[in-house]
Amino acid sequence: GESVGLHLPTLSVQEGDNSIINCAYSNSASDYFIWYKQESGKGPQFIIDIRSNMDKRQGQRVTVLLNKTVKHLSLQIAATQPGDSAVYFCAESFTGANSKLTFGKGITLSVRP
Amino acid sequence: DAGVIQSPRHEVTEMGQEVTLRCKPISGHNSLFWYRQTMMRGLELLIYFNNNVPIDDSGMPEDRFSAKMPNASFSTLKIQPSEPRDSAVYFCASSLTTGRTGELFFGEGSRLTVL
Repeated sequence: GESVGLHLPTLSVQEGDNSIINCAYSNSASDYFIWYKQESGKGPQFIIDIRSNMDKRQGQRVTVLLNKTVKHLSLQIAATQPGDSAVYFCAESFTGANSKLTFGKGITLSVRP
Repeated sequence: DAGVIQSPRHEVTEMGQEVTLRCKPISGHNSLFWYRQTMMRGLELLIYFNNNVPIDDSGMPEDRFSAKMPNASFSTLKIQPSEPRDSAVYFCASSLTTGRTGELFFGEGSRLTVL
């Protein structure tokens, strides 16, 4: 909800610039990763995913990069718009019985007009 | 198409009262998840069901919490008795495990305040 982002790291970018949001994941066995976006008062919404057999995947204005060596995931947003202002979460899971999606703490993206 | 529907959107109750949160998943989805979101802990998975059967409830905080899924279109999360530390936003999400991605579709959440 509205209070989720108050104590989260914040990335402030100028409208039109590119944004890079970083995430370190914890489980070396994780082989599936997703980025979610959460706007104030709403539930998280899927943005893009990537499997561990890839190191890059592109969507519309977004790119996810995966570095398994250092367990790092990033989300790049091109030409950031005011509507991109939200909290962004990375999530990880691994293939296998009863696997579940584990979310990171989240980063607030603030777009300056 | 209707997304995941949760009710109530907001609930304010007093410590010791029973709270029941409700969720209607997206039709055709066979997995359902209950998450809790707080500033301190972020998004935590409480329990998830596959084909109406609870698969993993290791995230349920304690015996005061219980969840049911009597059929494919309805689930409840109950807290009895409620405590102030249960105050959080509770999200329900559903997915299709045979889908192309592992995307979870979240509802808009139920904001619980326990006084």
